[in-house]
Amino acid sequence: GDSVTQTEGPVTVSESESLIINCTYSATSIAYPNLFWYVRYPGEGLQLLLKVITAGQKGSSRGFEATYNKETTSFHLQKASVQESDSAVYYCALGDHYNQGKLIFGQGTKLSIKP
Amino acid sequence: AQTIHQWPVAEIKAVGSPLSLGCTIKGKSSPNLYWYWQATGGTLQQLFYSITVGQVESVVQLNLSASRPKDDQFILSTEKLLLSHSGFYLCAWRPQGTNERLFFGHGTKLSVL
Repeated sequence: GDSVTQTEGPVTVSESESLIINCTYSATSIAYPNLFWYVRYPGEGLQLLLKVITAGQKGSSRGFEATYNKETTSFHLQKASVQESDSAVYYCALGDHYNQGKLIFGQGTKLSIKP
Repeated sequence: AQTIHQWPVAEIKAVGSPLSLGCTIKGKSSPNLYWYWQATGGTLQQLFYSITVGQVESVVQLNLSASRPKDDQFILSTEKLLLSHSGFYLCAWRPQGTNERLFFGHGTKLSVL
């Protein structure tokens, strides 16, 4: 079936250190997968962080990057230097390009940044 | 600009009691509407979707029901809560007839005791 697996949290990183949150997907029934990272900051709603619709492309936002790798079925989220304001829950999600209402999420990774 | 409002922000309820969660979209007519849910330690999964007033499709069976009484309103409810209903509920919308992505609300945290 279609599924997403991501780094199990919680994850704690010191400020200004690098971060990687792993995400792998399985898209057996989706012909044209799109990949997303969503973020939920404390007390706020779920926001789109970045989206990539074409394999081999990289998305970036707020210093975060993720590359859609079709060969390894991965979409890892990386940041070179985290800040305290990056503390949040991060969700990797798999979408169907021809049915954007269908989103399959990972379990979320709670990230805490130590000052 | 479109806004999405969910209520309540958080709720603590007893097992067996009724539940009603609401979601309103302003500034967009005839949106597609969705309910998502995440149990503690689980993944976010789609529960219901609706493409028009009065029409709701169930995606996952959880002893919950959803209704769309107005174009801009989506209600999630049950007459009898179970412990397993605890979790985080998210409402989402997207423009109908487009390939636009989903936009999410702030969510409701539900604790069933």
